[in-house]
Amino acid sequence: DGGITQSPKYLFRKEGQNVTLSCEQNLNHDAMYWYRQDPGQGLRLIYYSQIVNDFQKGDIAEGYSVSREKKESFPLTVTSAQKNPTAFYLCASNSGGTGSYEQYFGPGTRLTVT
Amino acid sequence: AQSVTQLGSHVSVSEGALVLLRCNYSSSVPPYLFWYVQYPNQGLQLLLKYTTGATLVKGINGFEAEFKKSETSFHLTKPSAHMSDAAEYFCAVRITGANNLFFGTGTRLTVIP
Repeated sequence: DGGITQSPKYLFRKEGQNVTLSCEQNLNHDAMYWYRQDPGQGLRLIYYSQIVNDFQKGDIAEGYSVSREKKESFPLTVTSAQKNPTAFYLCASNSGGTGSYEQYFGPGTRLTVT
Repeated sequence: AQSVTQLGSHVSVSEGALVLLRCNYSSSVPPYLFWYVQYPNQGLQLLLKYTTGATLVKGINGFEAEFKKSETSFHLTKPSAHMSDAAEYFCAVRITGANNLFFGTGTRLTVIP
């Protein structure tokens, strides 16, 4: 079955540690996205990538980094510079072509930093 | 600039009653509009979308939405609520010139038995 996988489902880290969240898709989509979700704030775009080896900052990129070395993978690193990293993180993808703008979402990773 | 406003962060309806979730957008050009549903601790699932053509769009689980350009609205409705409809609903608009979507802040729907 095609889809997006995110691992792990729950992640716990100590303050000051970097942590990498995994996102893999087998939908053959060109574009991938990372969102952060906090209660009452909807989804906020962290980074997105339209093609392999290229990515752009979203609205809240500070304290995060990404890479896109393979079409299928778009890992997100939450660095120690992110002041409030505890949140629900969602990865999404779409084909990137004209007329197919809906995004497909993974199940999310809930990160708790103490 | 494009944005989405969802009126009402929480909506409660009785089982069997009409569901109406409101979404207004601001866009300088005809937008692409989407409704997504999110169950607790899960990702988002597409309910329906408007791109071009018919302004009344039918989606999954008995939901539908009507694009009204004159009112800049894309409200989501369902004639009869089920307990399984309890979830959070997000309206989204496509940002012109890009593949990005801009999401509203969400509406949590509670269904009362």
